[in-house]
Amino acid sequence: DIVLTQSPATLSLSPGDRATLSCRASQSVSTYLAWYQKKPGQAPRLLIYEASERATGIPDRFSGSGSGTDFTLTISILEPEDFATYYCQQRRNWFPTFGGGTKVE
Amino acid sequence: QVQLQESGPGLVKPAETLSLTCNVSGFSMTSSSYYWGWIRQPPGKGLEWIATFSYGGKTYYNPSLKSRVTIAADTARNQFFLSLRSVAAADTAIYYCAREGALAVADSIEYYYGMDVWGQGTTVIVS
Repeated sequence: DIVLTQSPATLSLSPGDRATLSCRASQSVSTYLAWYQKKPGQAPRLLIYEASERATGIPDRFSGSGSGTDFTLTISILEPEDFATYYCQQRRNWFPTFGGGTKVE
Repeated sequence: QVQLQESGPGLVKPAETLSLTCNVSGFSMTSSSYYWGWIRQPPGKGLEWIATFSYGGKTYYNPSLKSRVTIAADTARNQFFLSLRSVAAADTAIYYCAREGALAVADSIEYYYGMDVWGQGTTVIVS
């Protein structure tokens, strides 16, 4: 299976800061990578698909980049509602896997 | 508006079978570009994919759970199901159903749209 490693595990920032989250795959996943935002008590919310495409209704302060094994989620200006845990997920094959998550606090 | 809603018992005894249902509304499960799956999150841990069902009848399972899991669907009623046998405390989690979009050619994914619609989740405790 393809292992996704997210770093850092925790990111301590303030509203207005820029957040840069990393996701590294153990083997190439091409651009078959998605990012999700997860808050306690809520379902995951799709932010980015195909590595860099914003999902419907997602603000343009969220952006994704990368291909192959290295991916980045950037939040250009943190809003109070952006403090959450973020997961990357790959779909290179029919066994999708998630990263361990980055908590933005 | 597409909505998914999980239902099932909140408490299951060890060694028994967990059965969950996901009701899909606002969208037909018969679309060829979408897949239907189950994902769980144990307390304090990350997300784990369990299984996926496609309209063509193909099923895909997490290898670590494959011997205990069955995913099935009743497309006429726009529902799909999860059965997890021989549960143990490690199966305690919030279980989510989700819609997943992908363009697949000859069983190979060519474009991935992500898991774009999720249910609210249902908590299952094995005790």
